[in-house]
Amino acid sequence: EAQVTQNPRYLITVTGKKLTVTCSQNMNHEYMSWYRQDPGLGLRQIYYSMNVEVTDKGDVPEGYKVSRKEKRNFPLILESPSPNQTSLYFCASSTGQTRTDTQYFGPGTRLTVL
Amino acid sequence: AQSVAQPEDQVNVAEGNPLTVKCTYSVSGNPYLFWYVQYPNRGLQFLLKYITGDNLVKGSYGFEAEFNKSQTSFHLKKPSALVSDSALYFCAVIPADKLIFGTGTRLQVFP
Repeated sequence: EAQVTQNPRYLITVTGKKLTVTCSQNMNHEYMSWYRQDPGLGLRQIYYSMNVEVTDKGDVPEGYKVSRKEKRNFPLILESPSPNQTSLYFCASSTGQTRTDTQYFGPGTRLTVL
Repeated sequence: AQSVAQPEDQVNVAEGNPLTVKCTYSVSGNPYLFWYVQYPNRGLQFLLKYITGDNLVKGSYGFEAEFNKSQTSFHLKKPSALVSDSALYFCAVIPADKLIFGTGTRLQVFP
């Protein structure tokens, strides 16, 4: 089954404790992206990647890192999480060949930073 | 600035009645417009998109949307709502190389 998977689905952590949220897709997509969803703000892009070893900042990259060492994986790293990073996070992928491609979303990771 | 607006936080409709979820946009050039739906505890799912051509776009689950260039709108519609349509709906636009999402509209369909 074609899908985007994220782990963990739920995470509660404390300020300053490094964490990684994994994202993997099995559709051989070139384009991958991370979003955060906050009430009243919709989805905002954090980082995206057009291909392996190619990443770029989205609208709200501060406090986040990403890497793209393999085509299928695009982990999101919070080196020193803070309470304002409490949010619902989504990974997405698409073929990336045109601007009109449909994005496929993972199930989401709900992160709480105390 | 490039943006998309969903003026209603929530839309309530009775089952069997037609529904409309509104979306307006502000972009330069030709807009590429999308609708996504988010069911509880799930990721976003693609419903439909407008790229070019016919202004009426048909999508999944019986939904359709009409692109209106003069009113810069892309409203989502369905002739007969189902309780199972209750979800959070997002309009999105691609002005350059990324999706810009609206703030979402919660659709509640009552039996």
